[in-house]
Amino acid sequence: LAKTTQPISMDSYEGQEVNITCSHNNIATNDYITWYQQFPSQGPRFIIQGYKTKVTNEVASLFIPADRKSSTLSLPRVSLSDTAVYYCLVLMDSNYQLIWGAGTKLIIKP
Amino acid sequence: ETGVTQTPRHLVMGMTNKKSLKCEQHLGHNAMYWYKQSAKKPLELMFVYNFKEQTENNSVPSRFSPECPNSSHLFLHLHTLQPEDSALYLCASSQGSGRPPSTDTQYFGPGTRLTVL
Repeated sequence: LAKTTQPISMDSYEGQEVNITCSHNNIATNDYITWYQQFPSQGPRFIIQGYKTKVTNEVASLFIPADRKSSTLSLPRVSLSDTAVYYCLVLMDSNYQLIWGAGTKLIIKP
Repeated sequence: ETGVTQTPRHLVMGMTNKKSLKCEQHLGHNAMYWYKQSAKKPLELMFVYNFKEQTENNSVPSRFSPECPNSSHLFLHLHTLQPEDSALYLCASSQGSGRPPSTDTQYFGPGTRLTVL
């Protein structure tokens, strides 16, 4: 049974780099990995998506090792406004299933 | 603002009531989704529509009935719900360039917080 697993919560401080890792042991060849961010009273918002190695955009980086059984979302120099819940998502190409993680609650302290 | 609106934002209903949730997207997308979000659990995909046609129904009880009259509007009709159905119901849309769900980015509305008494 496909599953994505991520830590329930993490704390960090302003200005630090934060890395959140997601485990997806049953990922298949054509499956994609996506991360979303959710603030209270809002729906999730797309952050980044990748298939292998490294992807970077203006807000985050996504690191995927060669075996693709995990992925790490990296947030550089976080601020208080990065306090949110972060979701890992695997899109299974074989059957169009979306496998969402339960979310990691990230709290940034001053 | 994500371009996806949901009404009402909050809804309290009894188990014998009938109510409807509404979603509208202003992004010109072709695919729309209903999700259930419960505390500390993964998002549960309920229904997917592509060009008004339902493409996914993930074993959702019949007390939830979706309707998609056009690519911009999506409804979720509720009847004889149970207290365990209390949750945040999220609507999302995506471009629909391939069969959804696909790698297309999903744009979510703010959700309807449903409480069933």
